[in-house]
Amino acid sequence: GAGVSQSPRYKVTKRGQDVALRCDPISGHVSLYWYRQALGQGPEFLTYFNYEAQQDKSGLPNDRFSAERPEGSISTLTIQRTEQRDSAMYRCASSPTWFIFGTWAGNTIYFGEGSWLTVV
Amino acid sequence: ELKVEQNPLFLSMQEGKNYTIYCNYSTTSDRLYWYRQDPGKSLESLFVLLSNGAVKQEGRLMASLDTKARLSTLHITAAVHDLSATYFCAANTGTASKLTFGTGTRLQVTL
Repeated sequence: GAGVSQSPRYKVTKRGQDVALRCDPISGHVSLYWYRQALGQGPEFLTYFNYEAQQDKSGLPNDRFSAERPEGSISTLTIQRTEQRDSAMYRCASSPTWFIFGTWAGNTIYFGEGSWLTVV
Repeated sequence: ELKVEQNPLFLSMQEGKNYTIYCNYSTTSDRLYWYRQDPGKSLESLFVLLSNGAVKQEGRLMASLDTKARLSTLHITAAVHDLSATYFCAANTGTASKLTFGTGTRLQVTL
């Protein structure tokens, strides 16, 4: 696609329900990231994939949060037993990572429009 | 743990004036990013700075990086109303491109 696509754009769910947020990265992008952004704050890292491999999940707040990217393209962020504190904008990003002459080359990380989650 | 601080947090400036936003980071970083975010919108990439002394310019915006001082600046020249937005800097750790963002600088350019 032309850009990073996320769905749903808006999700209202009741506390205790599970939610799944979907990300379709830019075609051909190797790296995929999930961030969470609270109002008035910068994005906060959640997790990161290279192809289908989850390279870093250190930002996931607790074990209710999980992410997968089974075929190295589309990714799903799942939040189980949602709580009100989970309400935030969840942003996906992708980048065409490449490695040249032993170092990472500069690359832009492109963000999607986000999925706004409200837990009531 | 990498920490990124921006200042000022809020900046109101008149059209035609110049100003600088500062971004300090606490530990060695491979790259420094600048993003723009309009209200309710996604983050738009402005610059990626890769090395000490790097300077990039696009229109009225110029970004620079001093890795020894762990400082990046975003300079605005002759501001125009269209530049009103929130500007974020972000630094990465390691090779995994995990970005740590600053809290953002909300820029308001008045006519």
